[in-house]
Amino acid sequence: KNEVEQSPQNLTAQEGEFITINCSYSVGISALHWLQQHPGGGIVSLFMLSSGKKKHGRLIATINIQEKHSSLHITASHPRDSAVYICAVRHYNTDKLIFGTGTRLQVFP
Amino acid sequence: DVKVTQSSRYLVKRTGEKVFLECVQDMDHENMFWYRQDPGLGLRLIYFSYDVKMKEKGDIPEGYSVSREKKERFSLILESASTNQTSMYLCASSTVRQYSNQPQHFGDGTRLSIL
Repeated sequence: KNEVEQSPQNLTAQEGEFITINCSYSVGISALHWLQQHPGGGIVSLFMLSSGKKKHGRLIATINIQEKHSSLHITASHPRDSAVYICAVRHYNTDKLIFGTGTRLQVFP
Repeated sequence: DVKVTQSSRYLVKRTGEKVFLECVQDMDHENMFWYRQDPGLGLRLIYFSYDVKMKEKGDIPEGYSVSREKKERFSLILESASTNQTSMYLCASSTVRQYSNQPQHFGDGTRLSIL
């Protein structure tokens, strides 16, 4: 069983829909990262959080440390949001990042 | 903005060749990382470096070596390329040596094919 699990693996949506991507982890962490990877391959860091909630534009990330769960929400989705979204946790002991396998999102006009 | 530049976006090599992947960052970051990304497996850490001439093995170092002669440059070397090293390779950098929650900044990746 992977230490970081994401769901769903694939997601399609119509433009304007509210999107939720989930991440569950089984190890102790010091922080959780949400990353975005566009088809070209480059990865961009969206959020880093260790508690509560963060918001940036139409993106919202939440984390529940007790339940070892995080969600990434996209409000009013747009075709340009189409990408792979990756959850990664920083192991509290080794300090290394452990990555989920990603959620492929496609938003259609 | 931090810029992490990988020398090639696409590379095709033959089995047995020695392959060099180069990565340069322009923000004076201490930490640099090499990952490979395969479908269904996510990113896996090959090697990382927290200072010039310092390196540590990641989760999958077999068949690879690294070099960090200057702070801004981190090279990944495939000593004798094999077909199972066909993959997307991503370089990243971050500031502060350890126990840091600073984000890693990634390059655009090198898609390497070994024939």
